Amino acid sequence: DAKTTQPPSMDCAEGRAANLPCNHSTISGNEYVYWYRQIHSQGPQYIIHGLKNNETNEMASLIITEDRKSSTLILPHATLRDTAVYYCIVTGTYKYIFGTGTRLKVLA
Amino acid sequence: GAGVSQSPRYKVAKRGQDVALRCDPISGHVSLFWYQQALGQGPEFLTYFQNEAQLDKSGLPSDRFFAERPEGSVSTLKIQRTQQEDSAVYLCASSPRGGARTYEQYFGPGTRLTVT
Repeated sequence: DAKTTQPPSMDCAEGRAANLPCNHSTISGNEYVYWYRQIHSQGPQYIIHGLKNNETNEMASLIITEDRKSSTLILPHATLRDTAVYYCIVTGTYKYIFGTGTRLKVLA
Repeated sequence: GAGVSQSPRYKVAKRGQDVALRCDPISGHVSLFWYQQALGQGPEFLTYFQNEAQLDKSGLPSDRFFAERPEGSVSTLKIQRTQQEDSAVYLCASSPRGGARTYEQYFGPGTRLTVT
């Protein structure tokens, strides 16, 4: 599975969009990009995933570059409850490899 | 609906004791996964079941770790002769489908194991 690189931490003002980047330059053609988040003392929560097209659901949007070497998770209107560690995972199989993720802190 | 549940939520074991951690996946989910999460790290894959078959146990750190899912629903992760380095949060996840392809996984709250 491809390796991912994420910034260790980010801050975002409440009500503003949070844009979380992920680099995955070694991604192969059959690998998907998944995003999960983990709020303190809870298990990871699925957010969104995509292959090559941009995706949107009720939680977030996922923007994947045309060369698929990077992606951005967008939380359009961050709230205090979005404070969590966000993991970007690239995989073509059932096996997830989590990195250390990005610790997003939403500030009031 | 009911999500993935795990019990106990917290377990303290003396070094050398055996422990058993239980996972109740979402009803009807074919795939079940166990992960180990050390403090400050992301979860690490331990093992994968498709129904009752353990198809991948490549992440189990030693032969002291054993997992089973005898009837294709509830799963138990057993750790024999616990060591301090086994202290971690153990997460269980399930997925509605199986096979080698990737699908979203639904995680339980985890069991925090502390070995003293």
